[in-house]
Amino acid sequence: NAGVMQNPRHLVRRRGQEARLRCSPMKGHSHVYWYRQLPEEGLKFMVYLQKENIIDESGMPKERFSAEFPKEGPSILRIQQVVRGDSAAYFCASSPGGAGGGMNTEAFFGQGTRLTVV
Amino acid sequence: DQQVKQNSPSLSVQEGRISILNCDYTNSMFDYFLWYKKYPAEGPTFLISISSIKDKNEDGRFTVFLNKSAKHLSLHIVPSQPGDSAVYFCAASPRSGAGSYQLTFGKGTKLSVIP
Repeated sequence: NAGVMQNPRHLVRRRGQEARLRCSPMKGHSHVYWYRQLPEEGLKFMVYLQKENIIDESGMPKERFSAEFPKEGPSILRIQQVVRGDSAAYFCASSPGGAGGGMNTEAFFGQGTRLTVV
Repeated sequence: DQQVKQNSPSLSVQEGRISILNCDYTNSMFDYFLWYKKYPAEGPTFLISISSIKDKNEDGRFTVFLNKSAKHLSLHIVPSQPGDSAVYFCAASPRSGAGSYQLTFGKGTKLSVIP
């Protein structure tokens, strides 16, 4: 039973480039959450998606960041025109849908993508 | 404004002794609390949780205590083992309703268990 898969594990981008982070949830999970961890900080909520729907993006920066979770394929977190301050670890988590499918029912995290902007 | 605070960035404990990790919160809407363990270059792994209707939850060597009036919770690990060395994150959310899918994390406490 594969866990939450994130790729790439490490991503280096030059300032101004685009970064695409992918997340495949656990089998049977239809809820995906993205969190960002800046150096020396805790994880901060970014966005919550269900298949083809963004449920809550209140933690996403207003510009340059977008997320999707298409009907087929992984969830994508996209950062356009990256800046040095975007350097962080980005974690995806998934949980089952339906009743009790909220994040606080012990959702599973992926191993993260470490983005470095040079 | 930090709604979940872990005031000790690090903690060292001798193997076999008790480790106590502390967490304070300020948001009265939080009524579900979780502890995650994280190794370097890995994602957080769920450890134990507690609902506000309880004041204690135990799972093997791990026990979480909740003091609602003080808005304080603690994680006890006994006996501590070298494999417990990791960063421990406290997280909180409302159990239901708005924001129940959104965890608020503390900054973490790095636990080192010395053999």
